[in-house]
Formats: sequence, C-alpha cells, structure tokens
Amino acid sequence: EPEVTQTPSHQVTQMGQEVILRCVPISNHLYFYWYRQILGQKVEFLVSFYNNEISEKSEIFDDQFSVERPDGSNFTLKIRSTKLEDSAMYFCASSVETGGETQYFGPGTRLLVL
Amino acid sequence: SQQGEEDPQALSIQEGENATMNCSYKTSINNLQWYRQNSGRGLVHLILIRSNEREKHSGRLRVTLDTSKKSSSLLITASRAADTASYFCATSNYGGSQGNLIFGKGTKLSVKP
Repeated sequence: EPEVTQTPSHQVTQMGQEVILRCVPISNHLYFYWYRQILGQKVEFLVSFYNNEISEKSEIFDDQFSVERPDGSNFTLKIRSTKLEDSAMYFCASSVETGGETQYFGPGTRLLVL
Repeated sequence: SQQGEEDPQALSIQEGENATMNCSYKTSINNLQWYRQNSGRGLVHLILIRSNEREKHSGRLRVTLDTSKKSSSLLITASRAADTASYFCATSNYGGSQGNLIFGKGTKLSVKP
C-alpha cells in the first residue's frame, strides 16, 4: 500500500541553524500538508500546498518557514533560523482531494532544537 | 476557538471490553475524521464520516455523528491490547477551507491484557 515517507526520522540542530525536512507524498496525490505536534500537545496545521503554491497557512507558519516541491516527488519544509520552541514532531500529509478529505500522514520527523 | 475536543482524556479498559471516545466541535464541518497515534509515531487514518452521515462502521470501529449537537463518538468493540494508542478526532471546516484539519487533544486509550 502506498504511504507517505519522511526523512530524517530524527534531527537535532542548534538554535539559529536552518533545517530542511523532507517528505515524499503518495504519488497520485495532489494536495500536501505540514503539521506539527509539540510534545504532549495537539497536532497543529502549518500549511497546505497545491499546484506549486501555498493554499493556506496558519499563524504558526511565519517568515521563518517555507515549503517547496523541488521535483515531482519531494515536498520540503524549511525552517530558516530554528528556535527552541520549534522543537516538535513534524508530520507531512497528502490527499487526493481537498476539502478535508482523507489525509495520509507520514511517520514524522522529530526535531530537537538545542 | 477550540475545535475537536475529545473526552475522556484517558481511558483504561480490559481486553475484550468496548471503548467509547467522544469528540465535540464548535463550527460547521464538511466531515469529521478519527485518527490513531501510537506513542511517538505517525497518525493513522481510521475513518471519515461526512456531515450528512449519522453512523459509519469499519471492522470493529463504529463512528456516530450528531451535527445538531456538534459531537461524534468512536466505539471500538472487543478491544485488544494492540488498540492501545491515542485517538484524535479531526474536523474540516465548512466553507472555503483548503482542507486543513483541526485536531483535538486526543483520548489516550490503554487496553490491558
């Protein structure tokens, strides 16, 4: 069964460093998403992406964050200058359609900012 | 505003018993989904119920939706130790959304063998 994959599974970085989290969505999906989950808290929406542009973003998704689909398979989340509070689990998801249809989540990247 | 609040926050049952988790939300929705998350792992989609549906089944799972009360319940019948996980409801708001899901805080289910 096709699944969303994410790399790396864990990332440790120093505050102020740039990180790039990578995702390979399911191949026939058209809509891509990033969510994050701070330890012990809710899963929070960051951004949705369709047709090579951002569809929607949350208040969390400020200028430090950017997304890109550099080729036909990868979908990346870049954090330019990490802060301690960026430490979280980051989930990528994809769906065939939008409007809240079933989103398939990757296993996540656990980011720790020191 | 809070959306998709589950209760109870934690539930501990014996294997073989049924587990019921509830979710309440505040705004009109397109649909409501339930996800499972094993500790420290990704989210696994369980079931989606649309706003015009009242009940849906999938294997040992039964989901109900009451849009008048803005609530949903997830019933897991004949629970197994492998059902131990956190369960989240997620809503997609009606009207113009590009599909971002709003998750609740989850119910942590523990099934004891």
